[in-house]
Amino acid sequence: DTAVSQTPKYLVTQMGNDKSIKCEQNLGHDTMYWYKQDSKKFLKIMFSYNNKELIINETVPNRFSPKSPDKAHLNLHINSLELGDSAVYFCASSPQGLDNQPQHFGDGTRLSIL
Amino acid sequence: AQSVTQPDIHITVSEGASLELRCNYSYGATPYLFWYVQSPGQGLQLLLKYFSGDTLVQGIKGFEAEFKRSQSSFNLRKPSVHWSDAAEYFCAVGVRNTDKLIFGTGTRLQVFP
Repeated sequence: DTAVSQTPKYLVTQMGNDKSIKCEQNLGHDTMYWYKQDSKKFLKIMFSYNNKELIINETVPNRFSPKSPDKAHLNLHINSLELGDSAVYFCASSPQGLDNQPQHFGDGTRLSIL
Repeated sequence: AQSVTQPDIHITVSEGASLELRCNYSYGATPYLFWYVQSPGQGLQLLLKYFSGDTLVQGIKGFEAEFKRSQSSFNLRKPSVHWSDAAEYFCAVGVRNTDKLIFGTGTRLQVFP
């Protein structure tokens, strides 16, 4: 009965590879987000989608491409991985993003680039 | 520009002691304010939020926070800390009419028996 679930939990890969992280929420929320948490625990929003439509794109390199097949899913695809991409990536969702409803977070995907 | 400052990177308290975690924000209007807690290997869990009204808000796990507009602060408090409260705590400001949450850099809480 996990509310926001991400897979995989850990991802170890080499520089230059392409990888995807999946996120699903069963809360019936309209808005989903991707955040990046760096090694100093700083959390920064990357993207948000409202009902499959991109709302926020925070100057993220275009190697990162979010895809929302439906409002319950928001996947993150990363091309040509670089060392600086090593971080924990969190997916989140909220009922109505524009009203600043509290966001519900997944447990994160720890991405390590070798 | 909006920002959130958590001045204390790391705090250590004894179990049973009181706790106050500081949060200051910079925002041009009345902000939406949140406190989240992150346990090791976990995602963020909402502790409490302030949108409007009563400036003292109660949250889960016995936490409360007080919004002080004059000081641009939203400090988190708990009268008696339990060992299970050891975690990373994040203050965040929500930008009105957007989806954006701006987080502080977090405060790591250690609890000694």
